[in-house]
Amino acid sequence: NAGVTQTPKFQVLKTGQSMTLQCAQDMNHEYMSWYRQDPGMGLRLIHYSVGAGITDQGEVPNGYNVSRSTTEDFPLRLLSAAPSQTSVYFCASRGLAGSYNEQFFGPGTRLTVL
Amino acid sequence: AQKITQTQPGMFVQEKEAVTLDCTYDTSDQSYGLFWYKQPSSGEMIFLIYQGSYDEQNATEGRYSLNFQKARKSANLVISASQLGDSAMYFCAMGLSGDMRFGAGTRLTVKP
Repeated sequence: NAGVTQTPKFQVLKTGQSMTLQCAQDMNHEYMSWYRQDPGMGLRLIHYSVGAGITDQGEVPNGYNVSRSTTEDFPLRLLSAAPSQTSVYFCASRGLAGSYNEQFFGPGTRLTVL
Repeated sequence: AQKITQTQPGMFVQEKEAVTLDCTYDTSDQSYGLFWYKQPSSGEMIFLIYQGSYDEQNATEGRYSLNFQKARKSANLVISASQLGDSAMYFCAMGLSGDMRFGAGTRLTVKP
């Protein structure tokens, strides 16, 4: 049981490049979500998913795309990276709707956009 | 709008003493969860404690307790007998269906 895994751990991009941050969980959780954490701030929700084929926007969705083709995976795509997207990205998953179990967080991906 | 407010950017506490970290929230939903997470300098998010909006008793987990005052919309974290390893950022969060909002955090420093 690996929990929530994220790859890569670190990434440096140039402005305008695209990339995909990977997130996977092996707990059969319906909910998965992506957050970003800027220096000195709390986490802000980017996108979330309540199950395969269903996604929705969070607080700060602009510049990011997501899809959920399987229960296990929830990749986050940056189509054209900008310096404002320099941040630490956390993926998280949690259990059934209506039961507020704690979210399980991945270890984070530190992204720098030059 | 859903909002979480942590008004203490930084707190200091003497080792072995208790400390309270403040958190207030705003929501029109009746059903929600309140959480506290710890983020050490290594960066991972560590779940500490959870309180459901319908729970009548305050949640406790070892040295952590959550002082839940629903009418005042506050969910303060109390850490008893502080240890040096408690030095970290602490985030309050509110969980709603499909969404979770975080406060800006409080940096706790435990002095020896």
